[in-house]
Amino acid sequence: DTGVSQNPRHKITKRGQNVTFRCDPISEHNRLYWYRQTLGQGPEFLTYFQNEAQLEKSRLLSDRFSAERPKGSFSTLEIQRTEQGDSAMYLCASSSYHNEQFFGPGTRLTVL
Amino acid sequence: QKEVEQNSGPLSVPEGAIASLNCTYSDRGSQSFFWYRQYSGKSPELIMFIYSNGDKEDGRFTAQLNKASQYVSLLIRDSQPSDSATYLCAVREETSGSRLTFGEGTQLTVNP
Repeated sequence: DTGVSQNPRHKITKRGQNVTFRCDPISEHNRLYWYRQTLGQGPEFLTYFQNEAQLEKSRLLSDRFSAERPKGSFSTLEIQRTEQGDSAMYLCASSSYHNEQFFGPGTRLTVL
Repeated sequence: QKEVEQNSGPLSVPEGAIASLNCTYSDRGSQSFFWYRQYSGKSPELIMFIYSNGDKEDGRFTAQLNKASQYVSLLIRDSQPSDSATYLCAVREETSGSRLTFGEGTQLTVNP
């Protein structure tokens, strides 16, 4: 399967804990995006990388959120000191330059 | 005003009918427009994209773009029960770099 992959698929954590998600993009894609989706809403942009450079961050991305793409391949999204409001589906997408974005299966986070 | 607005659902059509999904956007400089299909509990799947005014057809799907009216639509011909899903309109705005701005989605049900 050469699509976008994300791990874990589900994460349940207690409020105040840190969590980290991983995204592996389609191999030839140099752009990688993180979005967040809550029930009944469309995905909301969080951040994106071109190769290893983080080029844009949303105002939604508080100081508790950090993303990396150290070698321009996979990316991680870390949430520190999780809050119940962080419960959502975290989606990763990849594309080549300004082309179409393809989404991975997502990581569903539940904060108790 | 929301940046991307979709007609509120749910939309219900009989099997074999044409389903019409509509989307308006506020950024007149937007260049690229996408339709994603999202089944319940799954991630968005790209089904159509359109960059130029006019119609673009792919199988049973037709995307229509009118930049003067800031309007994009998706027509699904010969609707099937398997088309029942939420359809998300996404726009890449001129000033947004690579990120997509999504509408809230329209839930479509095709009744056998």
